[in-house]
Formats: sequence, structure tokens, C-alpha cells
Amino acid sequence: RKEVEQDPGPFNVPEGATVAFNCTYSNSASQSFFWYRQDCRKEPKLLMSVYSSGNEDGRFTAQLNRASQYISLLIRDSKLSDSATYLCAVKRGGSYIPTFGRGTSLIVHP
Amino acid sequence: ETGVTQTPRHLVMGMTNKKSLKCEQHLGHNAMYWYKQSAKKPLELMFVYSLEERVENNSVPSRFSPECPNSSHLFLHLHTLQPEDSALYLCASSQELADIYNEQFFGPGTRLTVL
Repeated sequence: RKEVEQDPGPFNVPEGATVAFNCTYSNSASQSFFWYRQDCRKEPKLLMSVYSSGNEDGRFTAQLNRASQYISLLIRDSKLSDSATYLCAVKRGGSYIPTFGRGTSLIVHP
Repeated sequence: ETGVTQTPRHLVMGMTNKKSLKCEQHLGHNAMYWYKQSAKKPLELMFVYSLEERVENNSVPSRFSPECPNSSHLFLHLHTLQPEDSALYLCASSQELADIYNEQFFGPGTRLTVL
């Protein structure tokens, strides 16, 4: 089983839709979690860190489910500009190096 | 606007060439990383430096040779590459290596094509 797994998609949604992605991790000792956004032919940029209690930033909500070992990203009221690949990254305790998933592609259409 | 810059942005080289990729971070960070990103694959960590000291070499072939002369600069020297080495090479930095809550800041990458 891969250490970090994501459904590659693409998720094809209309503007205004709500969409959610999950990212599962295999190591129960994982301690910190991140969502990055990567636009086509650009570098990844941090979207948000994921806190134990869950956190929200505008239309974006991140959740952590330790029991089932996954994190989620919910995007409400999708915009055309949300079209990108969303990468999750996980750091396990005792390691300072994040492991990235292969990303989930989101396409928001008019 | 980015605190991590990379040059060149695009590079085409033959298998017998020698070239170098350069990365510079203006964020005052102590850790720097090289990643390889190939189509439809996750980011692959290649090397990690903390305060100019290499702390991880992720089973990377010797045709890739990193150099970190100071905490702001990172190089990746390339020689006798193979076509399968064609990819996007991303440099990243983070504030402290040991802080697991630090996020990484990426440069724009060098898109490398090996003919």
C-alpha cells in the first residue's frame, strides 16, 4: 500500500458546485498534514495546513480523520479559477520529510 | 512573487552534456530540497540539506550531484543523463528541518528535457 494515496480524478464539476477530495495515509504515526495546490506547469503552493480540529479558510475546509487515516478538502461554490491539481502531503513523527500524494485534478467548467 | 527562484526555467540537453540547475531562496530558511516531478507520478524527493549539510540522499543515481555552498543556494549538477530523467525539477525550502509543522515553499522549477 502506498504511503499517501489520492484519487487522480479528474473531478469535473460545474461552477458553484461543492466538491470534496480525500487523501489516505498508511502510517498511523503521521503527525502533520497539508494541502497544496498546483496549477498546470507551475510549482505547488501551500493551500492550507490541516489541524486536528479541522480548519476553514473561506470556501475551503480541511478535515482530519485519524481513526480512518485520511484528510479531506472541501471546496464550496467552486470557481473556474479553482481548476488545478490538489496535492496532499503528510509528515510522520520522527521524520521531517513530507510524503506527497500524486494529486487530484479538479476541472471547474462554466 | 516567490521567495524561491530557480534557473534555468527550461533546459534541453544531450546525454553527454554537463549542466547545472541553480536554486536560491530569499526567505532565510535553513532547509532546502530537490524534488523530481514526472508526469502522473508523485513528487519524488531527491536530496535534503539542512544548514548546508546533506541529510538525505534518496537513492538518487550518481549522475545527479547536489551542492549547497550556503543556506541560501542549492545546485544540482547533471551529467550523462538518460531520456527518462526528463522531468520538472523543483527546489523547495522550509524554515527548520526538524519542525514537522513547517510547510515547504517551492521554486517555479526547471523543466528538463534529455535528448
